[in-house]
Amino acid sequence: GIQVEQSPPDLILQEGANSTLRCNFSDSVNNLQWFHQNPWGQLINLFYIPSGTKQNGRLSATTVATERYSLLYISSSQTTDSGVYFCAVRMDSNYQLIWGAGTKLIIKP
Amino acid sequence: KAGVTQTPRYLIKTRGQQVTLSCSPISGHRSVSWYQQTPGQGLQFLFEYFSETQRNKGNFPGRFSGRQFSNSRSEMNVSTLELGDSALYLCASSFTGVVTEAFFGQGTRLTVV
Repeated sequence: GIQVEQSPPDLILQEGANSTLRCNFSDSVNNLQWFHQNPWGQLINLFYIPSGTKQNGRLSATTVATERYSLLYISSSQTTDSGVYFCAVRMDSNYQLIWGAGTKLIIKP
Repeated sequence: KAGVTQTPRYLIKTRGQQVTLSCSPISGHRSVSWYQQTPGQGLQFLFEYFSETQRNKGNFPGRFSGRQFSNSRSEMNVSTLELGDSALYLCASSFTGVVTEAFFGQGTRLTVV
């Protein structure tokens, strides 16, 4: 089956720093989403981005479907950005999301 | 527009008991999926329902079952609970379930003692 790999697994940064999180996937997908899981466990939608580039405030994402990777950029990090960031993909005619293992981000004040 | 609602938020059960979790999707969404999250296994797909039909099922034992009602609300049931069933159970709602964005509820945290 399709494999989803996220890197780095852990990232510790000072407030104000920028970061890039990467998601590689092993097969063609028609759905890719980035989520932020808060300390209470809720998955918060960041981007629905099967291809192209999107921006939302300090966050932006780019998916290059032909090269099977996606990047999530966080600029001017804040302590509230701390948490785990997941990439999840879905293939044609497959109704499940396949998840990466996540990147645990800690922003220190 | 109301989000995805999962109830209850927390549960403590004893080994051998059974449990039922509920998920109300976003209005108009007809696809509901369930996922189990544990520290060791990450997020694992349980099953997906669309218009009361199960379209896909993950690799979980038959103790895990689900259903969807005509109003798209879904329930999942776990019978004969084991300690390893302790996990965060997350429900996702989407319009069709394939090429559409999925939105998650706050989850139900189940502890089996």
